Amino acid sequence: NAGVTQTPKFQVLKTGQSMTLQCAQDMNHNSMYWYRQDPGMGLRLIYYSASEGTTDKGEVPNGYNVSRLNKREFSLRLESAAPSQTSVYFCASSALGRQGYYEQYFGPGTRLTVT
Amino acid sequence: KQEVTQIPAALSVPEGENLVLNCSFTDSAIYNLQWFRQDPGKGLTSLLLIQSSQREQTSGRLNASLDKSSGRSTLYIAASQPGDSATYLCAVELPIPYITQGGSEKLVFGKGTKLTVNP
Repeated sequence: NAGVTQTPKFQVLKTGQSMTLQCAQDMNHNSMYWYRQDPGMGLRLIYYSASEGTTDKGEVPNGYNVSRLNKREFSLRLESAAPSQTSVYFCASSALGRQGYYEQYFGPGTRLTVT
Repeated sequence: KQEVTQIPAALSVPEGENLVLNCSFTDSAIYNLQWFRQDPGKGLTSLLLIQSSQREQTSGRLNASLDKSSGRSTLYIAASQPGDSATYLCAVELPIPYITQGGSEKLVFGKGTKLTVNP
């Protein structure tokens, strides 16, 4: 049981390049999320997907697109990377936890640098 | 807009000390509150989740309390160890409007408290 996996772990892009961050979970969770973490800012929600085929904007969606390819996979795309998108990106999925309430489980993160 | 504040931003203590990390939030309409641990360069590990109807949760040397009416939570770490050194994040869980399907809540995070426990 791998939990939530993210690829790549590290990436360096030049301004204007595009790339897709991949996320997959093997826990059969309906909901998946993308966050970014910046120094001094905490984690902020970019996009989320309540179920396969649906996606919605979070706090900071500008410059990003997402695809919920199937129940397992939720990808985040940067169409034209900017230095302001240098960050650590975390994917999460949520499920009924051991205490009987939904809680989110996080992947290891992707460290992206845009030069 | 919900805002989550964690105090202090950084804390350094000698091994063996008991310590308290603080978290406050501006809107008491939360589902749950969760404490996470983050090691440098790593992802988030959930430590404790307190349901909005609960007052506290305990796991080993960790005890988290929640006072929803005052918008406060504390994480108490007993007999701290060097292995406890990490950043501790507090997050409140909010319902996503118009989505009624269970499991679709969003987390609003504080900026974290960086804890260093010195041997």
